[in-house]
Amino acid sequence: KAGVTQTPRYLIKTRGQQVTLSCSPISGHRSVSWYQQTPGQGLQFLFEYFSETQRNKGNFPGRFSGRQFSNSRSEMNVSTLELGDSALYLCASSPQGTGNTIYFGEGSWLTVV
Amino acid sequence: GQQLNQSPQSMFIQEGEDVSMNCTSSSIFNTWLWYKQDPGEGPVLLIALYKAGELTSNGRLTAQFGITRKDSFLNISASIPSDVGIYFCAGQLPETSGSRLTFGEGTQLTVNP
Repeated sequence: KAGVTQTPRYLIKTRGQQVTLSCSPISGHRSVSWYQQTPGQGLQFLFEYFSETQRNKGNFPGRFSGRQFSNSRSEMNVSTLELGDSALYLCASSPQGTGNTIYFGEGSWLTVV
Repeated sequence: GQQLNQSPQSMFIQEGEDVSMNCTSSSIFNTWLWYKQDPGEGPVLLIALYKAGELTSNGRLTAQFGITRKDSFLNISASIPSDVGIYFCAGQLPETSGSRLTFGEGTQLTVNP
């Protein structure tokens, strides 16, 4: 079974630009979550999608958004990039979400210059 | 912000030694998960715990879900150089639906051959 796949792995953007990151969950998994990892703040929950609906949202500004497609693939978007958005963005996949094991992808490294 | 206190922050041990790390919280958790993260990679799931008091092993790794549901520990026996990495605990709060995880700050493990 293929694992969680994230694209792109690395990208560099300029302040003010926007970025879209993609995640393909493990086959059969319907829950996709996104996390931001930085040295200073650690791993922080962004949002979760289940059956194309946002089920949970963390404490991030509205510049951070996401969506899930009918095949469970998910994208997250960050608009008006700031230097502080530089981070490793991780996607996590789970069959249902609650009480299930949760598997992470390798992440997308975003650098904002 | 973070609700899990993970300790120690770092450990330097000799190959062959046993290792123990733990996470505590003032909140009750429904699920405890332990992950290992190598530099530049996503977290890899090591052990998942779903019931208070549960003790689970995965090879040289053993983890337990505290009876109060507010703590968990991870033990690594007979450490080897490839155990090097950052270990994270993560939990799901009862009031959290879906797969939202709260992470500890991580334990950086260094194993000297």
